[in-house]
Amino acid sequence: DGGITQSPKYLFRKEGQNVTLSCEQNLNHDAMYWYRQDPGQGLRLIYYSQIVNDFQKGDIAEGYSVSREKKESFPLTVTSAQKNPTAFYLCASSIERGIGYGYTFGSGTRLTVV
Amino acid sequence: RKEVEQDPGPFNVPEGATVAFNCTYSNSASQSFFWYRQDCRKEPKLLMSVYSSGNEDGRFTAQLNRASQYISLLIRDSKLSDSATYLCVVNIPLKAAGNKLTFGGGTRVLVKP
Repeated sequence: DGGITQSPKYLFRKEGQNVTLSCEQNLNHDAMYWYRQDPGQGLRLIYYSQIVNDFQKGDIAEGYSVSREKKESFPLTVTSAQKNPTAFYLCASSIERGIGYGYTFGSGTRLTVV
Repeated sequence: RKEVEQDPGPFNVPEGATVAFNCTYSNSASQSFFWYRQDCRKEPKLLMSVYSSGNEDGRFTAQLNRASQYISLLIRDSKLSDSATYLCVVNIPLKAAGNKLTFGGGTRVLVKP
């Protein structure tokens, strides 16, 4: 079955560490996105990529980095510069480049700073 | 002002009743609209798109009012399984090419026996 796979499901990070969240899709979608969700709040866009080897900052990109070397993969690195990284991270993809179609989401990664 | 605003609720609904709630958006250039459902600690899932003429999917009816810049979702004959957070999603044009989906904070619905 086609879909988006995020791993790991739960991740614990020590202060000062960089961690990388994986996102892989086999839907042949061009566009991919990373969102962050804090408890009781909506989703906020971190980064998005409309095509391989290109990506753009979203609304809250500081302290995060991404790469898009393959169409199927869009990993997110949470760097030590991100001061409050504890959140639920969601990866999504869409068939069009964000134009009018709904997104398919992965099941998310819960990141906790310990 | 937030780009997409929703009443966070919760809306406490007796089983079998009808519940409706709105979502307002600020960008008049927004082109497409969606309702997503999110269960506790799960990813959002597309419930339905919202068309200009309004559309219905079983017990769910979505409406769009472009003049007043809001969309609505109505749930008839509420089931216990309808308990969830409903996210309003608006497609907002980017300054460069393309669009992005912007999410409201969600409206929580609790259906009780």
